[in-house]
Amino acid sequence: GEDVEQSLFLSVREGDSSVINCTYTDSSSTYLYWYKQEPGAGLQLLTYIFSNMDMKQDQRLTVLLNKKDKHLSLRIADTQTGDSAIYFCAESIWGQGNLIFGKGTKLSVKP
Amino acid sequence: GAGVSQSPSNKVTEKGKDVELRCDPISGHTALYWYRQSLGQGLEFLIYFQGNSAPDKSGLPSDRFSAERTGGSVSTLTIQRTQQEDSAVYLCASRVSSGGGDEQFFGPGTRLTVL
Repeated sequence: GEDVEQSLFLSVREGDSSVINCTYTDSSSTYLYWYKQEPGAGLQLLTYIFSNMDMKQDQRLTVLLNKKDKHLSLRIADTQTGDSAIYFCAESIWGQGNLIFGKGTKLSVKP
Repeated sequence: GAGVSQSPSNKVTEKGKDVELRCDPISGHTALYWYRQSLGQGLEFLIYFQGNSAPDKSGLPSDRFSAERTGGSVSTLTIQRTQQEDSAVYLCASRVSSGGGDEQFFGPGTRLTVL
């Protein structure tokens, strides 16, 4: 079946890099996404990667995809207190319209 | 407005009552989704509309849940005979098309509390 898993919590110091990990089970994933949810707000798409790519960089964000191991990571360089939020990993599957989300990783950034 | 809007932002109801939640997608977006976000459970897919096609209702948890999309725009999610386990944030999203890679734009959600 379809399943997306993430660790629930991550705590880092301001200025350090954060790495949020995600694993998924369905090999027919087409795209993989990272969404950010700040307290009381909706979900904001940060970045996404096509399943035949292995890396995508966008300013402070780096996404790495290991398709063989079905492992996705999001690295945030020079993490700031404003990066504190819940980060959701999600996948889209060929033939399905909806996204399948993980439970989210709560990132806490300490000054 | 430019984004997805949802109303009400908060809804408190008594067990057994019916509720209606509304979503206004971004103009021109053909795909519309409803998700439910329960505490510690991530986002759970409920239902998906794509253009004039029959909706994908595979995520609806019971027959107490239904949704309509009128005129290919506004959508209403109805929960009949609400139960306490229905308490959650209900999120709506819209998308330009159903093709992979297109961003799903999310609304701010409706927080439903069933007493």
